[in-house]
Amino acid sequence: RKEVEQDPGPFNVPEGATVAFNCTYSNSASQSFFWYRQDCRKEPKLLMSVYSSGNEDGRFTAQLNRASQYISLLIRDSKLSDSATYLCVVSPAGNNRKLIWGLGTSLAVNP
Amino acid sequence: NAGVMQNPRHLVRRRGQEARLRCSPMKGHSHVYWYRQLPEEGLKFMVYLQKENIIDESGMPKERFSAEFPKEGPSILRIQQVVRGDSAAYFCASSPSNQYEQYFGPGTRLTVT
Repeated sequence: RKEVEQDPGPFNVPEGATVAFNCTYSNSASQSFFWYRQDCRKEPKLLMSVYSSGNEDGRFTAQLNRASQYISLLIRDSKLSDSATYLCVVSPAGNNRKLIWGLGTSLAVNP
Repeated sequence: NAGVMQNPRHLVRRRGQEARLRCSPMKGHSHVYWYRQLPEEGLKFMVYLQKENIIDESGMPKERFSAEFPKEGPSILRIQQVVRGDSAAYFCASSPSNQYEQYFGPGTRLTVT
């Protein structure tokens, strides 16, 4: 089983749609969780950290379910500029700073 | 506050030559990470360094690859005797001591001809 698993997609949605991505992780002791986005041929950029209580940043909402070991990202009112690959990232337990990266979920928002 | 800087942005090497990739972390960041990304594939962790120390090199190929982060100056990823399979985008990231979030540079695209 992969340490971090994501549905690769692609997700094709019209502008204005709401889309949700899930990600599962295998290490129950994992401590920190993030969503990054990566545009084609560019570097990954931090989208948001995921807190136990869930957090929202504009049209983006992240949730963490420790019992089921999954993280979700919800995008409301999709824009064309949201088209990218979304990477789920988990930090293992302890002081290990080596992040574990999912392979990403591809999103295409269509006009 | 400048972000993570990498140079060169593009590097072309012939088979058998050496490639040197440089990374300057964000100001105040003492942790540096190198990743490799092949076309149409995910990020692959290579190595994690702090100043003058390699902390985790579990993703580094056993031969031809080395990395350093000296007390002064940028972190260097060195690939000796490059082969076609080394062609990839190499990303560097940095993080501060009190956070796990990593911030990425624009990458170096290595092409081996």
